[in-house]
Amino acid sequence: NAGVMQNPRHLVRRRGQEARLRCSPMKGHSHVYWYRQLPEEGLKFMVYLQKENIIDESGMPKERFSAEFPKEGPSILRIQQVVRGDSAAYFCASSHGTGDSPLHFGNGTRLTVT
Amino acid sequence: RKEVEQDPGPFNVPEGATVAFNCTYSNSASQSFFWYRQDCRKEPKLLMSVYSSGNEDGRFTAQLNRASQYISLLIRDSKLSDSATYLCVVNMVYDMRFGAGTRLTVKP
Repeated sequence: NAGVMQNPRHLVRRRGQEARLRCSPMKGHSHVYWYRQLPEEGLKFMVYLQKENIIDESGMPKERFSAEFPKEGPSILRIQQVVRGDSAAYFCASSHGTGDSPLHFGNGTRLTVT
Repeated sequence: RKEVEQDPGPFNVPEGATVAFNCTYSNSASQSFFWYRQDCRKEPKLLMSVYSSGNEDGRFTAQLNRASQYISLLIRDSKLSDSATYLCVVNMVYDMRFGAGTRLTVKP
């Protein structure tokens, strides 16, 4: 099954540490989206990337957060100096990128900051 | 105005009921539209795409009204297993935006 793969499924970090979330898109997909979901809230767009390019990062906090999607390897969402408020589920989705292509989601990474 | 707005929930309906959700979007240039469902603490899953002429998939019917900039989802003969949060998704030309979701609970 070549679905969207996210890892780790669960990640626990202490305040001040770094969190790295990885996402491998579906085979053939070159567009990746990251979303954050707080408990009991909806999905919030963070960033949209194509291979080696950030297309839209309007949903990403200006500090401590960064994302990349290199030519080779998975997309990485990096959170530096994590705080308790970063605790959330982070979902990655991929698509072909054409106008009518739906998004396919990974299982998510649940980040807990202690 | 939010980019994508959905009916506020929750909707609590008995089994067998018909329920409808609406979703409005702000960008008239939006190209494509989808409905997803999300079960508690799981990833969203595609329920159906929404086509200009409207489309049906079993008990589910989706409609698009470009003039008024809204899409709708109709669920007939609700089942207990339909209980979930339903998310409206709009391709905002450059990327995808999700509505906040509408929670549906179907009760026996």
